[in-house]
Amino acid sequence: ETGVTQTPRHLVMGMTNKKSLKCEQHLGHNAMYWYKQSAKKPLELMFVYSLEERVENNSVPSRFSPECPNSSHLFLHLHTLQPEDSALYLCASSPQDLPYEQYFGPGTRLTVT
Amino acid sequence: GQNIDQPTEMTATEGAIVQINCTYQTSGFNGLFWYQQHAGEAPTFLSYNVLDGLEEKGRFSSFLSRSKGYSYLLLKELQMKDSASYLCAVPEFSGGYNKLIFGAGTRLAVHP
Repeated sequence: ETGVTQTPRHLVMGMTNKKSLKCEQHLGHNAMYWYKQSAKKPLELMFVYSLEERVENNSVPSRFSPECPNSSHLFLHLHTLQPEDSALYLCASSPQDLPYEQYFGPGTRLTVT
Repeated sequence: GQNIDQPTEMTATEGAIVQINCTYQTSGFNGLFWYQQHAGEAPTFLSYNVLDGLEEKGRFSSFLSRSKGYSYLLLKELQMKDSASYLCAVPEFSGGYNKLIFGAGTRLAVHP
């Protein structure tokens, strides 16, 4: 039990679809992160939310839209994705004052067809 | 910015010892992390070094040399379940925020 859950675990979508990824943390943390992990590439930080406010948007295309309604939940809304967006999307959380102490969810394996 | 290098793949035999190296270039330094990630699972924290030297934690040890920009993760008495990717990460402060920068990971395969 990692304390960070993600749904769905696997997702296949067409380029014209709209879908959302969900992340929930049960650790009492107040910072949350979205990462993209492609094969043989480093984890890429996409978005950071601290105290429900977005503090980092790492030049991510607008077809990815994050939402953090409260400190326990984080969403990533997807629309008109490209095949190169196929990857493992990882959510993480940390205490706001200990940003390096990150706990990861199991990820959503996304395939764009 | 940060530049982190680690080998892409390694293989080892059950019961043996393996050393996974990581080199980094950084404008500042706030420590170095190692994470383990089994296929299809979340990365999990293994170790954090901020001072030079070796830190031992059971079968796993992590070494850091700040002057050389070098770290390694040492796995002893290898078990089949140690087959995983091992990620090296360093903190960075940019854009007014602290974040972790990861290497691409080293995929370790342990054979009987």
